Amino acid sequence: GAGVSQTPSNKVTEKGKYVELRCDPISGHTALYWYRQSLGQGPEFLIYFQGTGAADDSGLPNDRFFAVRPEGSVSTLKIQRTERGDSAVYLCASSARGAYTGELFFGEGSRLTVL
Amino acid sequence: AQKVTQAQTEISVVEKEDVTLDCVYETRDTTYYLFWYKQPPSGELVFLIRRNSFDEQNEISGRYSWNFQKSTSSFNFTITASQVVDSAVYFCALQGGSEKLVFGKGTKLTVNP
Repeated sequence: GAGVSQTPSNKVTEKGKYVELRCDPISGHTALYWYRQSLGQGPEFLIYFQGTGAADDSGLPNDRFFAVRPEGSVSTLKIQRTERGDSAVYLCASSARGAYTGELFFGEGSRLTVL
Repeated sequence: AQKVTQAQTEISVVEKEDVTLDCVYETRDTTYYLFWYKQPPSGELVFLIRRNSFDEQNEISGRYSWNFQKSTSSFNFTITASQVVDSAVYFCALQGGSEKLVFGKGTKLTVNP
């Protein structure tokens, strides 16, 4: 498709389980971002990739959260030992070069529910 | 620290009314960008505008207009002659010094027929 694609759209898991969320950015976009949006809140920055490397991971809340982008395209956000507080919508965005030089295009998000 | 405040949590108007969404920001950066995004029920954030800190000209795009005032650190968004399709949550965001966008909590706009 033409836009940012995120899978799964919905994920329900039990506390303590491992979860992977996938983001397929717009083709050719070198910059990729993960944000987390809790109910009634604005999106909060998690991590930014430029190419394959994480240029800024200052938003990751703790070491249970990890993200990779091995080939500079698809990215996976990994959450270990999930907690109920991890429940949120995880948004992915991509940009041709970066937010300073262009707009971010967001996906529809992956809604994570931790029971 | 950077901060964006959208004091209006929810606004409800009747179709064809004009409505202004307020955004106040805080930053120590001299160069920064301000954004507005629309989030319809589908959840996808839709880019509306980006404005850099050196450009205080107001902008109009169809029924949408934006008023940027550095003196009051505000970047307000007005929808003229609102329509039901304008119903969504609108977010103001700030970017300065890094690629990170800092979002406000959003304003939920409901336009009733």
